[in-house]
Amino acid sequence: QKEVEQNSGPLSVPEGAIASLNCTYSDRGSQSFFWYRQYSGKSPELIMFIYSNGDKEDGRFTAQLNKASQYVSLLIRDSQPSDSATYLCAAFLNTGTASKLTFGTGTRLQVTL
Amino acid sequence: DAGVIQSPRHEVTEMGQEVTLRCKPISGHNSLFWYRQTMMRGLELLIYFNNNVPIDDSGMPEDRFSAKMPNASFSTLKIQPSEPRDSAVYFCASSPGAISEAFFGQGTRLTVV
Repeated sequence: QKEVEQNSGPLSVPEGAIASLNCTYSDRGSQSFFWYRQYSGKSPELIMFIYSNGDKEDGRFTAQLNKASQYVSLLIRDSQPSDSATYLCAAFLNTGTASKLTFGTGTRLQVTL
Repeated sequence: DAGVIQSPRHEVTEMGQEVTLRCKPISGHNSLFWYRQTMMRGLELLIYFNNNVPIDDSGMPEDRFSAKMPNASFSTLKIQPSEPRDSAVYFCASSPGAISEAFFGQGTRLTVV
């Protein structure tokens, strides 16, 4: 089992709709979770992070965390063509002596006009 | 701060040659990660360092790969000898530590012919 799993997509949504991206993780010790966006040919850039159960909103983005179900999601409201990219979920584990950041394989999002 | 700096940005080499990729993390960050990204396998963690010490190298594909971090401001990833299947984008990322996001460099696109 992969440590962080995502559906590879592509996920296609029309402009203005809500895009829902999902992620599960296997290590219950994971403490924080990150969503990165990666445009083709570019490096990953942080969208949001979350470490408490519940929802966290930032503009058009909402991250949701359910530690009991080991599930993280990212909602993008009012999707724009510029949101078309690959979205990477990552889990951060701090063992006290070191930190490890593990990524899923990413979900490709296509926002259509 | 200029961010995480990687060099070279592009490298084309012949099979069997030694390749060295370089990374300068953000000053003050105590965790450094090397990732490899391919279409088939996504973003794979190769090795990470904490306070210049290699903590987990279980992601290093084989003995041809080695990584060093001689000081807090420099790390190298070496492949010797290189093979065509090593062709990928190699990212270096650094993090301030616990429950923190990782900042990525621009990556090195390696092509082994």
